[in-house]
Amino acid sequence: GDSVTQMEGPVTLSEEAFLTINCTYTATGYPSLFWYVQYPGEGLQLLLKATKADDKGSNKGFEATYRKETTSFHLEKGSVQVSDSAVYFCALRGSSGGSYIPTFGRGTSLIVHP
Amino acid sequence: DTGVSQNPRHKITKRGQNVTFRCDPISEHNRLYWYRQTLGQGPEFLTYFQNEAQLEKSRLLSDRFSAERPKGSFSTLEIQRTEQGDSAMYLCASSLASQYNQPQHFGDGTRLSIL
Repeated sequence: GDSVTQMEGPVTLSEEAFLTINCTYTATGYPSLFWYVQYPGEGLQLLLKATKADDKGSNKGFEATYRKETTSFHLEKGSVQVSDSAVYFCALRGSSGGSYIPTFGRGTSLIVHP
Repeated sequence: DTGVSQNPRHKITKRGQNVTFRCDPISEHNRLYWYRQTLGQGPEFLTYFQNEAQLEKSRLLSDRFSAERPKGSFSTLEIQRTEQGDSAMYLCASSLASQYNQPQHFGDGTRLSIL
């Protein structure tokens, strides 16, 4: 079945550092890929998405490129802020089977220090 | 558009009691999903509806759990005879059914604590 693997956290960075959170996936067909962010006490918010190979999703300075050859969708940001501290979830939604139930990774906690 | 709304935000109850949560999706969204999330984990799928029809249920959903969406708008999730292991955050999400690449919009969840 479909699966998503994220790097374990927490990832601890200083403000203005470069961020990479790795995500790899296993799926049949051509899934859509998503990054969600969850702040403490809240639900998940869509951060960005990509729906086909080589697409780059971007939002609020975050970027991720859909790499079919390496089955990856790594999240990057050039300069993190304290306000980026949250848990980040990589997810996929399959294109076959019809149920379209998303599969989520376990989440990666990001802590940014001033 | 006020987003996905869940009530209550927190629920504390004694083991063995029944609890019911409500989810109001984004009004034009015809798909509604329930997830459970425990600390340090991603959301685990429980069930989903398209309009009023419950189309899929996870094996995680024991017979103590029941969900309804009677008019294809709001949904309720009931847990009967609660157990310690039911303590978790219960998340609701909604989306459009038009294509598989549509993202889900999540509510802020209901945190359930079983004493």
